[in-house]
Amino acid sequence: QSVLTQPPSVSGAPGQRVTISCTGSSSNIGAGYDVHWYQQLPGSAPKLLIYRNANRPSGVPDRFSGSKSGSSASLVITGLQAEDEGDYYCQSFDTSLSVSWLFGGGTKLTVL
Amino acid sequence: EVQVVESGGGLVRPGGSLRLSCAASGFTFSDFIFNWVRQAPGKGLEWVSSISSSGYYIYYADSVKGRFTVSRDNAKNSLSLQMNTLRAEDTAVYYCAREIQDDGTNWFDPWGQGTMVTVSS
Repeated sequence: QSVLTQPPSVSGAPGQRVTISCTGSSSNIGAGYDVHWYQQLPGSAPKLLIYRNANRPSGVPDRFSGSKSGSSASLVITGLQAEDEGDYYCQSFDTSLSVSWLFGGGTKLTVL
Repeated sequence: EVQVVESGGGLVRPGGSLRLSCAASGFTFSDFIFNWVRQAPGKGLEWVSSISSSGYYIYYADSVKGRFTVSRDNAKNSLSLQMNTLRAEDTAVYYCAREIQDDGTNWFDPWGQGTMVTVSS
């Protein structure tokens, strides 16, 4: 079980809005460490989607947005499109474990 | 174009060894920290190892400590992961990822396409 908790799955119809949560603790997100999000489309490698909680790399549509509050972070996708279907992972840093980098367990997004 | 490309995966018996490589291009390799991240079939991402830009600082996940060794050759823009005493649970796609540092925070970008390691008799 990951220290960063994500819902295993979310779904939405095309055009709808979905939110993926990432819940941490006082030793990672709650300690002030930033959260980053990665998108992994079927059969592909992970790709940076959101960095430093709310920033989009060049080329990422503004339909994707991120936020962080307390020990949690959220990824919001608006105007869902079929090509958004895939897995989404949050990432942060933790000082309490021997592992340097933490990933959430991943959330599978299904576009209905 | 900034890219990283892994190679070296394959089928190996339990207890065996394998060496993965990651070739980088399109940027100054020696300026960046690099990481290995793996993904078991149907599972999530697991950080494996990190190596600083000079190669001086190296970190491993507990699950691979003492069995895996990461190294880099800045003259050849390449990264390696020597994996020894392999176990079935090491079966995964192994990704090489560049670590970006900016204003006190770090993230991974880009990631390579991955190389599959299968440990089975």
